[in-house]
Amino acid sequence: ETGVTQSPTHLIKTRGQQVTLRCSSQSGHNTVSWYQQALGQGPQFIFQYYREEENGRGNFPPRFSGLQFPNYSSELNVNALELDDSALYLCASSLGPGQIRDEQFFGPGTRLTVL
Amino acid sequence: QKEVEQNSGPLSVPEGAIASLNCTYSDRGSQSFFWYRQYSGKSPELIMSIYSNGDKEDGRFTAQLNKASQYVSLLIRDSQPSDSATYLCAAPLNTGNQFYFGTGTSLTVIP
Repeated sequence: ETGVTQSPTHLIKTRGQQVTLRCSSQSGHNTVSWYQQALGQGPQFIFQYYREEENGRGNFPPRFSGLQFPNYSSELNVNALELDDSALYLCASSLGPGQIRDEQFFGPGTRLTVL
Repeated sequence: QKEVEQNSGPLSVPEGAIASLNCTYSDRGSQSFFWYRQYSGKSPELIMSIYSNGDKEDGRFTAQLNKASQYVSLLIRDSQPSDSATYLCAAPLNTGNQFYFGTGTSLTVIP
């Protein structure tokens, strides 16, 4: 167990809808990263939040947005869902950029299906 | 060239054998490297991290890093059927805020 939790476990939405996924990081970890993992692929970096500010973004459109809160929780919001957004969404918590040990620990993931 | 590349496999080894998984990376500034294990339908689990050239051993797992060749590997000794999973190699950019993952190598250990 990594101490990182995510909700919900599974979610089914239709194209064009909006979705919010939630993550609770390990205590003491002030950095959260979100990833999208399509079937048969490695996780793709969406963005990272450090101390409630966005600290890097991958090649994802602006309809993917996030928030981080002071209580180690965070959200990933996706607007105008597309069929290709169907994937496993993972959050990972870590101590933060610049740390000597920058391991990231993953939550169990949210499986999103867009119909 | 992708930032992190792995042989996608699949790789099959008999129980008790050594499984060897390989990974190359493109960013010479990367300072840390990670191996994750992912069972089907589950999230990645960190099994090894390595920061310095050479070998790092943890139980049946040995990670090897060669920064000059931009190469990192994972050896699993005395492979067990429970080791059957997809193994992901990951490395952050030298800015530290974006992890790149390979596509993973699927390992099957045959009893």
